[in-house]
Amino acid sequence: KQEVTQIPAALSVPEGENLVLNCSFTDSAIYNLQWFRQDPGKGLTSLLLIQSSQREQTSGRLNASLDKSSGRSTLYIAASQPGDSATYLCAVRAGGNTPLVFGKGTRLSVIA
Amino acid sequence: ETGVTQSPTHLIKTRGQQVTLRCSSQSGHNTVSWYQQALGQGPQFIFQYYREEENGRGNFPPRFSGLQFPNYSSELNVNALELDDSALYLCASSLQRPANSYEQYFGPGTRLTVT
Repeated sequence: KQEVTQIPAALSVPEGENLVLNCSFTDSAIYNLQWFRQDPGKGLTSLLLIQSSQREQTSGRLNASLDKSSGRSTLYIAASQPGDSATYLCAVRAGGNTPLVFGKGTRLSVIA
Repeated sequence: ETGVTQSPTHLIKTRGQQVTLRCSSQSGHNTVSWYQQALGQGPQFIFQYYREEENGRGNFPPRFSGLQFPNYSSELNVNALELDDSALYLCASSLQRPANSYEQYFGPGTRLTVT
């Protein structure tokens, strides 16, 4: 059974700092991996999707990497801003038509 | 392009009652998935509907049931509500096509409180 773990559970950083969020999964046979952002009490916003054949994806200040063989992904946020404060969730999919398996998320606070 | 919408936004029910949550999928999407997210947890998969048929189910009891309609909108029904059913219920739509990576797009969720 696939399990996804995110470390740390919570993180507080000063504005402008670069930071890394970690995600690990137990079964390396994944189809793709997604990073989501969730504001309190709200739905999920997809940030980046990495196919199993890819090593990384970039969008603006965000960069996600994938090391499938070691079961790890990282989300790098450059020059953090208070508006980045949210919970970041990592999720993996085993096959094309299979559900997402989520971690519990990392709650990020960026202090002005 | 219209995104995924869910109704109602918030709902308060009493233990033992029944509830129906609704979801309208993103335009052109033929698959709907439902997830339950308890406070402080990641979303847990409930079930998925593709072309009006359930084609995947997570570890949830039969009192959780669903429907998908010809226009691909969907309903989640929960009977005999329990206190532990209090959660944010998320609907996600997708297009079953490898070219789209089966990427799921989530709605804003329905917050259900059972008292």
